[in-house]
Amino acid sequence: GAVVSQHPSWVICKSGTSVKIECRSLDFQATTMFWYRQFPKQSLMLMATSNEGSKATYEQGVEKDKFLINHASLTLSTLTVTSAHPEDSSFYICSARTGGSWETQYFGPGTRLLVL
Amino acid sequence: AQTVTQSQPEMSVQEAETVTLSCTYDTSESDYYLFWYKQPPSRQMILVIRQEAYKQQNATENRFSVNFQKAAKSFSLKISDSQLGDAAMYFCAYGETSGSRLTFGEGTQLTVNP
Repeated sequence: GAVVSQHPSWVICKSGTSVKIECRSLDFQATTMFWYRQFPKQSLMLMATSNEGSKATYEQGVEKDKFLINHASLTLSTLTVTSAHPEDSSFYICSARTGGSWETQYFGPGTRLLVL
Repeated sequence: AQTVTQSQPEMSVQEAETVTLSCTYDTSESDYYLFWYKQPPSRQMILVIRQEAYKQQNATENRFSVNFQKAAKSFSLKISDSQLGDAAMYFCAYGETSGSRLTFGEGTQLTVNP
């Protein structure tokens, strides 16, 4: 099946620094990528949707200036957590999709972020 | 907005037995997708089964089957012949036909006892 990778798989950073997380579709072109956030023992919450070459669409309550999303190519989307704080510590998951159907959506393995 | 409810935070089953996980959803749409995802301790999301709302026939994938009741907005997952490897968090999800959003339920933690 199709493969989506995330890098890094885990990261620890100091409060106030910025962290970039990459999401790559390895064997298909992802026209749409989704970014989710998952707190321990909770569900996945959609943060934003990005389409290649256009600005990301953010969910209500998600700070656009804090969570910068770039979808510069059909195989790469990045999420940058700017000026990270301990409350940003979470598990971030991306999914990638080709076309507009849910039948072709694949999840990445997730990135665990710990902000000290 | 669509909502997805999983009323069982935790479930347990004996190995080789059958277990059913419940899911209800709320929508005003007539066409949509429903999913069950498995999230093991590795936290990789794994698609278990998918159902298109316009299809009346319940989806099946080997030991996994669903009971889709469109009028009742219910979408339960049945796992037959449970295996130790089935132990995981299971999420029910609703997908808009427009493809714009997946909405997840709160999850059910399944324990399989040997």
